[in-house]
This record gives sequence, structure tokens and C-alpha cells, in this order.
Amino acid sequence: GAVVSQHPSWVICKSGTSVKIECRSLDFQATTMFWYRQFPKQSLMLMATSNEGSKATYEQGVEKDKFLINHASLTLSTLTVTSAHPEDSSFYICSGRGAGNTGELFFGEGSRLTVL
Amino acid sequence: QKEVEQNSGPLSVPEGAIASLNCTYSDRGSQSFFWYRQYSGKSPELIMFIYSNGDKEDGRFTAQLNKASQYVSLLIRDSQPSDSATYLCAVRGTGKLIFGQGTTLQVKP
Repeated sequence: GAVVSQHPSWVICKSGTSVKIECRSLDFQATTMFWYRQFPKQSLMLMATSNEGSKATYEQGVEKDKFLINHASLTLSTLTVTSAHPEDSSFYICSGRGAGNTGELFFGEGSRLTVL
Repeated sequence: QKEVEQNSGPLSVPEGAIASLNCTYSDRGSQSFFWYRQYSGKSPELIMFIYSNGDKEDGRFTAQLNKASQYVSLLIRDSQPSDSATYLCAVRGTGKLIFGQGTTLQVKP
């Protein structure tokens, strides 16, 4: 299947700082990128959907000013957690879908964020 | 009611047995159904997808879909200890992929 590269794979930061997570589609053009968050022993919760060149659509309850998503090109999407707090500690996973795709998503490796 | 529901388990089966994982969904208009496997600390990997009612087989895995009952299942034949993981059911509706909470499968040698 297609490859999505996500980094950093893990990051530890101090409370109040910002963290950027990058997601690159290596062998396909991801017209749509989805960002998920997963807390321990819970399922993946969709945070936002971004289409290349457009503003992201956020799910209910997700603060768009706190979780900044940029999808400036067909191969790169970024998630920035601004002013991170301990409750933002989670596993963040991106996934990409190409044009014309019937729904299959290709997941990045995930980024584990720990906010101290 | 959750959009996609799974029994969290754990489901424990002996090596070589058939593991049966079940999932129900609430959006009757859903068109695409996926099963992902997730090992602890890793991101999900796609096992199978199914769009049409009936069975779809791929190696040791069989996905079953019944749209009338809003039910999708995954059968794993000849279960191996390496199959021990959390299995996530995902349903696509209105462009988004919604995940169930996952079922933890334990295959005991």
C-alpha cells in the first residue's frame, strides 16, 4: 500500500510550548488528510479533515485555534499543537487518501506526544 | 448510541482456532467498511475492506457484511499468537472514516 511518513515519532515538551507534527505522503498525492488522536486503550478519534489548499474542517469539540492544521501541498500536512498542556498528551496519527480513492486510508506511523 | 460499536474484549482464543470479531454501525447510508489491526503503540494497518453484502476472503481473513442488519464481522482462521492485537472496525460515511473502540484479541499458544 501507499506510504505515509510521520514525524516525530515521539516528542516530550514542556507545558505551554508548541509542537509541530509533520505528515508526508511519499508515493501518492494525498488530496485529503485526516488527523486522529488516540488516548490509551481508546479508539481513534477524528480531530479534523483537511483538503489540500483549503482550511481544515474540525470535529465538534476540537479547538481549531489550538490544533493548527496546514495542508499546503499534496504531499505534506502538518499539525501544530499550540500552548500544549498535559491533557494534550496523546498519540496523534495522520492518514492520507488520494484522489479517486474509494475510501482506504494510509496511516502514518503516529506521534506520541507527552506534555510535562 | 455510538456510530460504530465493538465489544472491547479481550477475546481470547487458542492457537489454531477461529476468532470472530463483530461490529455494528448506526449510519444506514454507510458504504465502505474496513478492518484495521493495531499493535500496542503502533498505528493501524489495514487488513481488509468490504463494500458489498456477503463474504470477502483474503487468506486467513474473511470479512462479512450485512447492510440490512448494519453488521460487519471479521473471521480469522487458524489464529496465531502473532494475531494478538486490537482490531478496529471502521465505517466510512459522508467522507469520514469513523472507528469503533476496537476489540482486543489474545491468541494463546
